Amino acid sequence: DAGITQSPRHKVTETGTPVTLRCHQTENHRYMYWYRQDPGHGLRLIHYSYGVKDTDKGEVSDGYSVSRSKTEDFLLTLESATSSQTSVYFCAISERQGSTDTQYFGPGTRLTVL
Amino acid sequence: GQQVMQIPQYQHVQEGEDFTTYCNSSTTLSNIQWYKQRPGGHPVFLIQLVKSGEVKKQKRLTFQFGEAKKNSSLHITATQTTDVGTYFCASGYGNKLVFGAGTILRVKS
Repeated sequence: DAGITQSPRHKVTETGTPVTLRCHQTENHRYMYWYRQDPGHGLRLIHYSYGVKDTDKGEVSDGYSVSRSKTEDFLLTLESATSSQTSVYFCAISERQGSTDTQYFGPGTRLTVL
Repeated sequence: GQQVMQIPQYQHVQEGEDFTTYCNSSTTLSNIQWYKQRPGGHPVFLIQLVKSGEVKKQKRLTFQFGEAKKNSSLHITATQTTDVGTYFCASGYGNKLVFGAGTILRVKS
């Protein structure tokens, strides 16, 4: 499972509060990603990182920020959570296997914003 | 930006029946990946196709990449209850993936 953990696994919060989700990997992968999964939309990329302090936006980055101060940790922050950010959030790493860049996903965090 | 459309959104089959999900793009894809997500789980990589007309098999699963590299399909022969879940196609560009919306497969035993 590529040694990826996410915390917390479940969180319920109220609109307007800040929330930080953590992704931790143990295998020194350079690329890390945050996705959200919603019914009918599949997995949509929020932000990704290509190294310590190197991050870039994905297709649904509004309302989210990220930080990567260590190779093993990639944090996703909702500065002021809204109900539209209720979702399941997945972290992933990218690993090259031969000619293939394969993504491995963490177990996910289910976030509910009331 | 790059988009992949996946159909059907949902399919419910009797155990033993075949199942197919399709992935389509308006632009030429450099590659296509397929992932499976069990209910309550996380997506798991199944396979990658890169060549025009490529066909790969994994036991009862057959993956195809179209000749024009604009479409792909995943076919499951004789579905089993262990096949339930959501199947996603994804197209890679650089170090990013764009996912289709997924096809939810339910199998009646």
